[in-house]
Amino acid sequence: DIQMTQSPSSLSASVGDRVTITCRTSQSISSDLNWYQQKPGKAPKLLIYAASSLQSEVPSSFSGSGSGTDFTLTISSLQPEDFATYYCQQSYSTPPTFGQGTKLEIK
Amino acid sequence: EVQLVESGGGLIQPGGSLRLSCAASEFTVSSNYMNWVRQAPGKGLEWVSVLFGGGSTYYADSVKGRFTISRDNSKNTLYLQMNSLRAEDTAVYFCARGKTLSWAIFDYWGQGTLVTVSS
Repeated sequence: DIQMTQSPSSLSASVGDRVTITCRTSQSISSDLNWYQQKPGKAPKLLIYAASSLQSEVPSSFSGSGSGTDFTLTISSLQPEDFATYYCQQSYSTPPTFGQGTKLEIK
Repeated sequence: EVQLVESGGGLIQPGGSLRLSCAASEFTVSSNYMNWVRQAPGKGLEWVSVLFGGGSTYYADSVKGRFTISRDNSKNTLYLQMNSLRAEDTAVYFCARGKTLSWAIFDYWGQGTLVTVSS
């Protein structure tokens, strides 16, 4: 199975900040990397797929980049509703696997 | 609006069985990739199983031989039959649709149903 490592595991930031979350995979996965947002008690929501494609109706403040083994999710200007846990996930091989999550908290 | 609604969770003793349902609306289950993903309390996400439109199925090693994914086309509903349940199967179970681009990109999710395996 492909191992996914996110950093940091938690992050404190303020409204208006620019934030970057990193995901590293145990082997090359081309651009088959997806990002999800999850709020407490809710289902995950797809934000970015194929490393850099913005899912429909997701704000353009979210962006993704990377290929191979190193990927990033960037939020250009944090809004109050962006405080949540973020997961990366690879769709390159079976089984699909997720990172451990990055909890983004209000400073 | 695409909607997925899970049901069937609950408290079950180790070794018991449970069947989860996921009712879909505004799209056809049999024409899409359909997945189950679970999340243990306070933990991360774990993919469980996928059912392709053509009927092929795949499972995580942790549930292979114990869980069965299926669908009822007439009810537009996905199922997960869970047998020989263990404490480590305790989790919220989400059904999730796979994008046309790739079955393993999960674009719509249900709200989840909690399964607790405990004596």
